[in-house]
Amino acid sequence: GAGVSQSPRYKVAKRGQDVALRCDPISGHVSLFWYQQALGQGPEFLTYFQNEAQLDKSGLPSDRFFAERPEGSVSTLKIQRTQQEDSAVYLCASSPTGANSPLHFGNGTRLTVT
Amino acid sequence: GENVEQHPSTLSVQEGDSAVIKCTYSDSASNYFPWYKQELGKRPQLIIDIRSNVGEKKDQRIAVTLNKTAKHFSLHITETQPEDSAVYFCASKGGGSNYKLTFGKGTLLTVNP
Repeated sequence: GAGVSQSPRYKVAKRGQDVALRCDPISGHVSLFWYQQALGQGPEFLTYFQNEAQLDKSGLPSDRFFAERPEGSVSTLKIQRTQQEDSAVYLCASSPTGANSPLHFGNGTRLTVT
Repeated sequence: GENVEQHPSTLSVQEGDSAVIKCTYSDSASNYFPWYKQELGKRPQLIIDIRSNVGEKKDQRIAVTLNKTAKHFSLHITETQPEDSAVYFCASKGGGSNYKLTFGKGTLLTVNP
């Protein structure tokens, strides 16, 4: 079936604008993750959902970042009042369960804040 | 939390040679170690993983070894091909979490024809 789908693929925002990034996980996957990947770096954990419950948001850089997964499927990562340091690729990943099951990543959304 | 160090940051080999990438981790309770391959502009893709109850795993030209005592694990690619050129990331699941992966900074592998 289809893999993890993210949209938009690219997003350019002026500093101070709000953005919303969408993730469609693989159907039936219980766990959903958001990671941030800066240029030339490895992905860094942002937040984790098990179904609709956000169990860990310890990686969110500031209170300008907010994620939701209201029906336990599609997830949205929202960034308010974007700053230049928010420029990165935002990767979504899903897995059948959280513990020791492989992560399936989407292609990511490349956010550029000007 | 968990800390993962990866070396080297860049690696250039001739086609047909072997390539080895090494990672160390900090949490002795870590129990799952995947390796991801990421081509330019594309998604990270799992190529092999190993759990803490085994010391080695092999899949065709790719193998991973784990030394729990020393807290390090390595990726071995034999008979490299140009299509192996990509960035490779190691990761570890630990630091008191049974779901959070901590990634290394990546190794850019270039296989020269």
